[in-house]
Amino acid sequence: DGGITQSPKYLFRKEGQNVTLSCEQNLNHDAMYWYRQDPGQGLRLIYYSQIVNDFQKGDIAEGYSVSREKKESFPLTVTSAQKNPTAFYLCASSINGRGGKTDTQYFGPGTRLTVL
Amino acid sequence: AQSVTQLDSHVSVSEGTPVLLRCNYSSSYSPSLFWYVQHPNKGLQLLLKYTSAATLVKGINGFEAEFKKSETSFHLTKPSAHMSDAAEYFCVVSTWELTGGGNKLTFGTGTQLKVEL
Repeated sequence: DGGITQSPKYLFRKEGQNVTLSCEQNLNHDAMYWYRQDPGQGLRLIYYSQIVNDFQKGDIAEGYSVSREKKESFPLTVTSAQKNPTAFYLCASSINGRGGKTDTQYFGPGTRLTVL
Repeated sequence: AQSVTQLDSHVSVSEGTPVLLRCNYSSSYSPSLFWYVQHPNKGLQLLLKYTSAATLVKGINGFEAEFKKSETSFHLTKPSAHMSDAAEYFCVVSTWELTGGGNKLTFGTGTQLKVEL
C-alpha cells in the first residue's frame, strides 16, 4: 500500500525542547516538502528537498532543520529557536521536484504539535 | 510572484443542492492550478488539477473546475452536495519558481464547506 506516513499523529513538547517529526514515503518520489498549517491560513513552505543529500529553505525556515539521507525519508526538527511552534505540520512528496509546474504534490496525514 | 484568493471563508449548502467555491489567482507566468480537500485533522487530498490542457477539469467525487484566463478564476463546482463533502477546500497555484527549478505552491486560505440536511 503506497503512500506517505507521518508520525506521531499528536506530539506535545515543553518549551525549550527540540522535537523531530517523521515523514516516510514509499512512492519512489524524488522530491519531498514540509509545510506548516495554522488556523485560517493556507499552508506555508518550511523546507523542501528535490534529491537525496540536498535541501533548500522555504518561506519560513527559521527555527527548523531537516535532513535527507535517504530517498524515502525527510525528517523535520523543530528547534527551541522556533518562536511559535504550535501548529499542524504536513509532509508532501512529488515524483520529480524539477518536473515542472504540473508536478503534483501528495500529502501525508499530518502531525499536530503542541508546545506546553 | 503569485497569489490566490478564495473569496469565501465559509460556504453552507443543503444536501442535494449545487456547490460553488470561488477562487481567483494572480500569477506572472502561466500557472498550473489545483484544488485540494482536507477533512478535519487529516492531510490534503487532490481533487483535480489544471495544466493548460482542457479548461474544464473533472476531478474526483463529482467535482469539476473551469479555468477562465480572462477572469483569472478557477472556481470549483459540484452539481449535488453530499454530507461527506463537508470539509475545507484549498485552491492552489503552482509556478516554476523554487531554487533549483522546482515548482512552488501558493495556497489560498481555504473555504470551509458545510452541508446541511
